[in-house]
Amino acid sequence: GDSVTQMEGPVTLSEEAFLTINCTYTATGYPSLFWYVQYPGEGLQLLLKATKADDKGSNKGFEATYRKETTSFHLEKGSVQVSDSAVYFCALSDRGSQGNLIFGKGTKLSVKP
Amino acid sequence: NAGVTQTPKFQVLKTGQSMTLQCAQDMNHNSMYWYRQDPGMGLRLIYYSASEGTTDKGEVPNGYNVSRLNKREFSLRLESAAPSQTSVYFCASSEARQYQQYFGPGTRLTVT
Repeated sequence: GDSVTQMEGPVTLSEEAFLTINCTYTATGYPSLFWYVQYPGEGLQLLLKATKADDKGSNKGFEATYRKETTSFHLEKGSVQVSDSAVYFCALSDRGSQGNLIFGKGTKLSVKP
Repeated sequence: NAGVTQTPKFQVLKTGQSMTLQCAQDMNHNSMYWYRQDPGMGLRLIYYSASEGTTDKGEVPNGYNVSRLNKREFSLRLESAAPSQTSVYFCASSEARQYQQYFGPGTRLTVT
């Protein structure tokens, strides 16, 4: 079945460092891809999405490009802030489903001042 | 707009007790979902409802029942709680086939 694999955490960075969180997927069909973020004590919220190959999703300085050839959707940010400390989830939704999402296990990011 | 609301925020149950987790959304979404979140496991789908009047099992439905009371409300019931059901439960909603899901703040449940 469809699945999402993302890098194990936790990831600890200093403020202003470059961030990459790797995400690869396995899917039949042509999924939409998402990054969700969960701040401490809160529910998940959509960070960015891409619906077809070569699309780039971006929001709040974060970017991810849908790479069909490598089945990847890596999350990047050029300069992280302490306020970016959160858990990041990669997810996919196959177009044949009823909108159900399949999540990766999450990557915890801690940014130190 | 409150978005997706869940009650209660915290709950402690003894093994064998029952309870219902409530979820409501005010975005007029057709689809609603219940997930559980466990350390190192990500989010796993328990049940979902693609539209009012329909419900379907997700990845981990055993030990749970759901009711789609109306378009706004989707409840999750534990009939006989077990320690393995200790988890954080999230409700979500989306427009049909739009895939972007909106999440509630979660219910942290402990079963002793």
